[in-house]
Amino acid sequence: ELKVEQNPLFLSMQEGKNYTIYCNYSTTSDRLYWYRQDPGKSLESLFVLLSNGAVKQEGRLMASLDTKARLSTLHITAAVHDLSATYFCAVDSSGGGADGLTFGKGTHLIIQP
Amino acid sequence: GAVVSQHPSRVICKSGTSVKIECRSLDFQATTMFWYRQFPKQSLMLMATSNEGSKATYEQGVEKDKFLINHASLTLSTLTVTSAHPEDSSFYICSAGGGPRVAYGYTFGSGTRLTVV
Repeated sequence: ELKVEQNPLFLSMQEGKNYTIYCNYSTTSDRLYWYRQDPGKSLESLFVLLSNGAVKQEGRLMASLDTKARLSTLHITAAVHDLSATYFCAVDSSGGGADGLTFGKGTHLIIQP
Repeated sequence: GAVVSQHPSRVICKSGTSVKIECRSLDFQATTMFWYRQFPKQSLMLMATSNEGSKATYEQGVEKDKFLINHASLTLSTLTVTSAHPEDSSFYICSAGGGPRVAYGYTFGSGTRLTVV
């Protein structure tokens, strides 16, 4: 059974600080996804990581994937209040889009002024 | 980019009644769609995989007779919650993508908040 573990599950930080969210998974997969969810809303796609060593950046967020370590990270640089949300990582276990995604428990991020 | 439309966004129904939720891929054909359920303050759990023209595949512990899935066309999948009970109250989200569109990842519908009273 595929397991996806995120940590921390809850993070309160101040604006301007840097932090990293970690996502470990238990199977060999080279497809990992990061999503953002605002309260009461659905998921917004942030990053699609499709190969070992993949690194993608969008604004203050940067995601990376190490398939050998089965680890992905989501790094937040100089956090701002608008980044407050819940962040999920998810793994496509089949590698072919046939089996859906297994999600981590999510990281509830609060950024305080 | 891929767009997945989901309706209704919110529904309140009485216990014992059935509710249908629609999920449409607007700008691409989705041979496979996925249905997830999210309870408050929890993560998303895959309920079933909907395949166009064939029977859905349900995850362990999900009652196929209670959660009826129909995927009659390449752009529409429906989830019907039959004989709903308060414990079925949840946020239901569909998604499509992956496969040939793997570079774009999976796109999620806007979700349906179901409240059973």
